[in-house]
Amino acid sequence: ETGVTQTPRHLVMGMTNKKSLKCEQHLGHNAMYWYKQSAKKPLELMFVYNFKEQTENNSVPSRFSPECPNSSHLFLHLHTLQPEDSALYLCASSHTGGVAGYTFGSGTRLTVV
Amino acid sequence: SQELEQSPQSLIVQEGKNLTINCTSSKTLYGLYWYKQKYGEGLIFLMMLQKGGEEKSHEKITAKLDEKKQQSSLHITASQPSHAGIYLCGAGGDSGGYQKVTFGIGTKLQVIP
Repeated sequence: ETGVTQTPRHLVMGMTNKKSLKCEQHLGHNAMYWYKQSAKKPLELMFVYNFKEQTENNSVPSRFSPECPNSSHLFLHLHTLQPEDSALYLCASSHTGGVAGYTFGSGTRLTVV
Repeated sequence: SQELEQSPQSLIVQEGKNLTINCTSSKTLYGLYWYKQKYGEGLIFLMMLQKGGEEKSHEKITAKLDEKKQQSSLHITASQPSHAGIYLCGAGGDSGGYQKVTFGIGTKLQVIP
């Protein structure tokens, strides 16, 4: 149990489907993050939410749509994805400020067919 | 932007052997993190270093940040199969209210019994 729970663990979706990834933490953290991990590439920061407000969007295509209804929950809504979007999507949370680092979830392995 | 280079990219060692993984930054490191990842899963926090010359240990894993704060090493003593996984270094710190961490590509470690 890492303190950050991601569901589902695995997801296979067609290019015309709409699906959502969910992330939940009860660590009292106020910042939440989505990272994308592809083979042979460093983790790519996608979105950052701080106190429910989006503070960073690293030029992510609009087919990825994040939502943060409160400091404990983070969603990533997916629609009309491409096969190259297949990757491990990791959610993380942290305290705001400081350098204490992240707590990561176990990730969602996404395959787009 | 800060880039992290890890070496080696992969490593195969016999159980009981010592090993070292390096992480070199293009810029001064203000917060250096080491994480471990089992294949297809989330990242587990190992250690965080901040001060030049700082060294921390946890069980058989020791991490050090050099005096110039541009290079870190992770040393495992008497490796065991449980040490197998991907080791990632991350650099970052406070980005004005939240933490932003940039990661290296990782070092894949296999330990042969």
